[in-house]
Formats: sequence, C-alpha cells, structure tokens
Amino acid sequence: AQSVTQLGSHVSVSEGALVLLRCNYSSSVPPYLFWYVQYPNQGLQLLLKYTTGATLVKGINGFEAEFKKSETSFHLTKPSAHMSDAAEYFCAVSEVATGNQFYFGTGTSLTVIP
Amino acid sequence: DGGITQSPKYLFRKEGQNVTLSCEQNLNHDAMYWYRQDPGQGLRLIYYSQIVNDFQKGDIAEGYSVSREKKESFPLTVTSAQKNPTAFYLCASRRGRLNTEAFFGQGTRLTVV
Repeated sequence: AQSVTQLGSHVSVSEGALVLLRCNYSSSVPPYLFWYVQYPNQGLQLLLKYTTGATLVKGINGFEAEFKKSETSFHLTKPSAHMSDAAEYFCAVSEVATGNQFYFGTGTSLTVIP
Repeated sequence: DGGITQSPKYLFRKEGQNVTLSCEQNLNHDAMYWYRQDPGQGLRLIYYSQIVNDFQKGDIAEGYSVSREKKESFPLTVTSAQKNPTAFYLCASRRGRLNTEAFFGQGTRLTVV
C-alpha cells in the first residue's frame, strides 16, 4: 500500500522565516501529489498539486513545493512565514495502484511565533 | 456556489445508538469519500464510492455503513458496533480522475456521551 510520511508532527518558525514542511512517499511509480491546509474545526483546502510537467509547483498563499523523484519527496516551502499560516498541513498522494484512493500523511502542525 | 455540505456540524450520541452523518455535493463529482480524523493520526479512509450504487471499504470500515443512491449524496452511518466513534468526520468528493484534487466539506464533530 501507498505510504506517505510527514517528518515532524510540529514545526515552529518565527514570523518572516522560511517555512519547510517535509513529505516523502513510498512508491516505485511516482504518484500524483497534493498539499492541503486545515484550520481548526474546518475542512481541508487545497494548497497545490503535482500531476505532470514542471516539478516546481506554485500554490496559494505564497506556498510552493518541488517534486523530486530521486528523493521520493514533495516538500512544501514558503519564503516568509505569516501569522495566518498557523494551521495543520497534510500531504496526500493518489496513484493507479490504490484504485483512486487518496492517502494522507499524519499532518504537520505549523506554529508561527511573532 | 458549488461545494460540499456536511450536516450537522456538531453531533452528540448516546452509547448504543446509531447516527447518520449527511454529505451532499453539487459539484457533479463521481467519487465521494468519508474520512475519520483523530489527533496525531491524520485522515483515515472509512468508505469511498466511485459511482452510484457502488462503494468500497477503506482502511477502517468496521462499525460504519454507507449508501450511494444518488450521485449528490453519500451518507455515513456510525453504528453501535463502532467502539470509539468520537472523532471529526470529513466528507470529500472528486471528479474521479487520479490527477484531480478532492474537495472537502467542513466536517462533523461527533461526540459520544
């Protein structure tokens, strides 16, 4: 079965600092990759996705992620953290072998320190 | 506006009772999903459906049941057989192609009292 690993269940950064949230997947065939954000007691909102083409993907709110096949990674970054970025972030994958299912990582809670 | 509507937002249930969570979408999506979210465990798939009148078990289907009689609706019943039903439940839908994203409802928080 597909596995998605998010290293670091809690990440803290200072306001204005670089945000780096890590995501690795386990698949011999590159899956489709997604990052979602969740604010307290709400559903998930798509930040960005990688399907095909350019490996550096830009999303909403200044976030971007780079697909690296050799490292089986899809890390999420933002150059300068804002207080409003404090939330839970989930990496997800979708591939043929899982029959149209989405598999999510366990999430990373981002705290932004003023 | 198109979207996914989950109701109710908060639900309280007595032990031993069945309860049904509603999920409706007007996005004309083929696939629909139910996830359970617990702190530190991410989202775990309960059931999913790719077409009307067909659905498959996910990783944690025991104690849950679903139906898909209409394309727009995918209700989830939490039965008394579910040992630990207190959780946040999320419904999602998707166009059905692997490279498309899922759209989520706002969730239902179920508490057993």
